Amino acid sequence: NAGVTQTPKFQVLKTGQSMTLQCAQDMNHNSMYWYRQDPGMGLRLIYYSASEGTTDKGEVPNGYNVSRLNKREFSLRLESAAPSQTSVYFCASSVKGQGDSGANVLTFGAGSRLTVL
Amino acid sequence: EDQVTQSPEALRLQEGESSSLNCSYTVSGLRGLFWYRQDPGKGPEFLFTLYSAGEEKEKERLKATLTKKESFLHITAPKPEDSATYLCAVRSPPGGATNKLIFGTGTLLAVQP
Repeated sequence: NAGVTQTPKFQVLKTGQSMTLQCAQDMNHNSMYWYRQDPGMGLRLIYYSASEGTTDKGEVPNGYNVSRLNKREFSLRLESAAPSQTSVYFCASSVKGQGDSGANVLTFGAGSRLTVL
Repeated sequence: EDQVTQSPEALRLQEGESSSLNCSYTVSGLRGLFWYRQDPGKGPEFLFTLYSAGEEKEKERLKATLTKKESFLHITAPKPEDSATYLCAVRSPPGGATNKLIFGTGTLLAVQP
């Protein structure tokens, strides 16, 4: 079982360059998320998609855009990268959709380490 | 503002030396507290969910407990393979996406043989 697959695993960009982080899940989950993880800050939610066709801002959305391409895929785009976006990015998915009650366990990918020079 | 605070930031134990990790939270209506384990270079891996004060969950050498203000992750007779960062998260109340999680900064546990 692949679970949540993120590409690329590592990327180095120059300030102002653009790039897209790809995420795909094969668990038929409804919701997908993008988090960033920085030392001393914990995991912070950038954007999420509660179901196919919907996306919403999280805690730190500035400088990012997302696309829920289909139920499996959720991409994160940096239009003009800045050094402050140097981080490890995690994609996650969960079976529960918006409004669903009960446990909502997130399954995370292995992460994408991005460095912006 | 919803907040999760974990302590200590780092903990070093000898193999077999039991201890506890703390997660204190302030949230307007707890809808679940989650514990995750994260190994270096990997994504977090789910361990437990707790919903109400007094609830306990166990898995091998780990036991999670919950009160109205905090959760503890008790590690009994740890082994070197228990070395990891342990993350605590709470589920935010309804409004927008009901499934958002707010994470603490984690406790880095090192178990020496």
